[in-house]
Amino acid sequence: RKEVEQDPGPFNVPEGATVAFNCTYSNSASQSFFWYRQDCRKEPKLLMSVYSSGNEDGRFTAQLNRASQYISLLIRDSKLSDSATYLCVVKGGYNFNKFYFGSGTKLNVKP
Amino acid sequence: DTEVTQTPKHLVMGMTNKKSLKCEQHMGHRAMYWYKQKAKKPPELMFVYSYEKLSINESVPSRFSPECPNSSLLNLHLHALQPEDSALYLCASSQQVGGSAYNEQFFGPGTRLTVL
Repeated sequence: RKEVEQDPGPFNVPEGATVAFNCTYSNSASQSFFWYRQDCRKEPKLLMSVYSSGNEDGRFTAQLNRASQYISLLIRDSKLSDSATYLCVVKGGYNFNKFYFGSGTKLNVKP
Repeated sequence: DTEVTQTPKHLVMGMTNKKSLKCEQHMGHRAMYWYKQKAKKPPELMFVYSYEKLSINESVPSRFSPECPNSSLLNLHLHALQPEDSALYLCASSQQVGGSAYNEQFFGPGTRLTVL
């Protein structure tokens, strides 16, 4: 079983839509959780860390459910510029020195 | 400042060449990472350095040789590579390895490597 699992998509949504991505992780000892955004042929960029209480940054809301080992990212009022691959990343668990990456979810926002 | 720099941006090399990739960060981070990324795949961990010592080698072939000359610099020496080694090579850093703090990881822009 993979350490981190994500739906690869693609998710094709119109501008202004709300879209949600989910991610599950396999090791309950995992310590910290992140969403990264990666544009084509660029490096991953940290979008937000995900805290147990949930957190929001503008149009982006992240939630963590430790009991279900589940992480989510909600994007409201999608913009064309949100088109990218979103990587769910989990730190620790099997090896506390490592970051474990999901396969990424592709988002295409259409005009 | 959350900048990690990498040079060169692009590299084309033959299978008999020796080249090096360089990475630098000035955030005071004590953990540095090399990843390899193929198209449409997530980054794949190669090496982790913690406090300038190699702490993880993900069974990477010896034709890849990492080096951490000081806490700000990370090199990846390449020798006798194969065409299948062509990929985006990403360097990353985080504040520390282990511990309970969140320790976000920040990536450099990568070196796009082509092996002919």
